[in-house]
Amino acid sequence: AQSVTQLDSQVPVFEEAPVELRCNYSSSVSVYLFWYVQYPNQGLQLLLKYLSGSTLVKGINGFEAEFNKSQTSFHLRKPSVHISDTAEYFCAVSPTGTASKLTFGTGTRLQVTL
Amino acid sequence: EAQVTQNPRYLITVTGKKLTVTCSQNMNHEYMSWYRQDPGLGLRQIYYSMNVEVTDKGDVPEGYKVSRKEKRNFPLILESPSPNQTSLYFCASSGLGLGEKLFFGSGTQLSVL
Repeated sequence: AQSVTQLDSQVPVFEEAPVELRCNYSSSVSVYLFWYVQYPNQGLQLLLKYLSGSTLVKGINGFEAEFNKSQTSFHLRKPSVHISDTAEYFCAVSPTGTASKLTFGTGTRLQVTL
Repeated sequence: EAQVTQNPRYLITVTGKKLTVTCSQNMNHEYMSWYRQDPGLGLRQIYYSMNVEVTDKGDVPEGYKVSRKEKRNFPLILESPSPNQTSLYFCASSGLGLGEKLFFGSGTQLSVL
């Protein structure tokens, strides 16, 4: 079984500041890693994913994440946030490479203010 | 437009009154799944289906039923809803390729009184 820990339930940040949302996972097998974003009153949509290869993954809207196998982490970063980035962000892992066993973290609420 | 459609968007019901939340996708996806989202708990999988007539339990299946008679539809059935099933529900679908992304519906906010 796998698990995902998002230690920060809320992250407040000023517009144009950098941000990092933390994600750590636990699994007895190799995993694929995902970040999904949920804007207010909407379903989730994929930001980026790591399957293999380069550990630095770039996604939509200027976000990127780095897979660190030794620290079992997949932190999400953006160098300069915008008001429109205000949303809930979910880290997720899958051991099989398909969606059937996707396990989500509890989410991090990113609140961007002026 | 590729989409997952859930209905209704909001639903208020009373304890014990059977209800069905519908989910339909137009992408010919094999995989479909139901999640519930609760504050502080993130998304938890209720049931999933790998293809027509193939369904399996997720992490929190108690009190729910599903069926997959057609590839595009995956309804969620609560035969006797209880207040602890008050939650935000999401349907999702994807293909079966490695690491394929999930497409999510807009959600159904259910309140059981």
